[in-house]
Amino acid sequence: GNSVTQMEGPVTLSEEAFLTINCTYTATGYPSLFWYVQYPGEGLQLLLKATKADDKGSNKGFEATYRKETTSFHLEKGSVQVSDSAVYFCALSGGAQKLVFGQGTRLTINP
Amino acid sequence: GAVVSQHPSWVICKSGTSVKIECRSLDFQATTMFWYRQFPKQSLMLMATSNEGSKATYEQGVEKDKFLINHASLTLSTLTVTSAHPEDSSFYICSAQDAPEEETQYFGPGTRLLVL
Repeated sequence: GNSVTQMEGPVTLSEEAFLTINCTYTATGYPSLFWYVQYPGEGLQLLLKATKADDKGSNKGFEATYRKETTSFHLEKGSVQVSDSAVYFCALSGGAQKLVFGQGTRLTINP
Repeated sequence: GAVVSQHPSWVICKSGTSVKIECRSLDFQATTMFWYRQFPKQSLMLMATSNEGSKATYEQGVEKDKFLINHASLTLSTLTVTSAHPEDSSFYICSAQDAPEEETQYFGPGTRLLVL
């Protein structure tokens, strides 16, 4: 079946550091891939998405490229801010429009 | 655009009572809504998929008589936790899609339920 694996957290960085959160997936067919962000006490917000191989999703300085050959969709940001502290979820769109989520990666940015 | 609201944002109830949670799409019509449950520091677990005017489709292991879902209109779905018990305490999140072919889901802010 479809599955998503994220790097285990928590991840703690200093402000302005470079961020990478790894995400790999297993899927039949050609799913769309997503990154969602969850701020404390809130629901999920769509951060970015990519619908086909080699597509790059980007938003708020975050980027992720759909790599079919490595079945990956790693999230990157060149310079993180304290306000980026949140839990990040990688997800893929499986059958019947269902989303399959990774376990989430908690990110803390220290000033 | 694509805003989803939930009400209430948090609720505390006594064991044995029923609790209703509303999920509304504010600026679009949602053909499909989803209900998730999230335990502390864990990922989201899909409970059921709800299509307007039809019965919800529940995931394996989710009791449909325990978690009643109604999707009476294109902008409103409700989840009722019947005869709630402490183990039902959790963070419940809904999401909505604005078109059958659209894969993106827009999430509500969640409802935190505490059963005493």
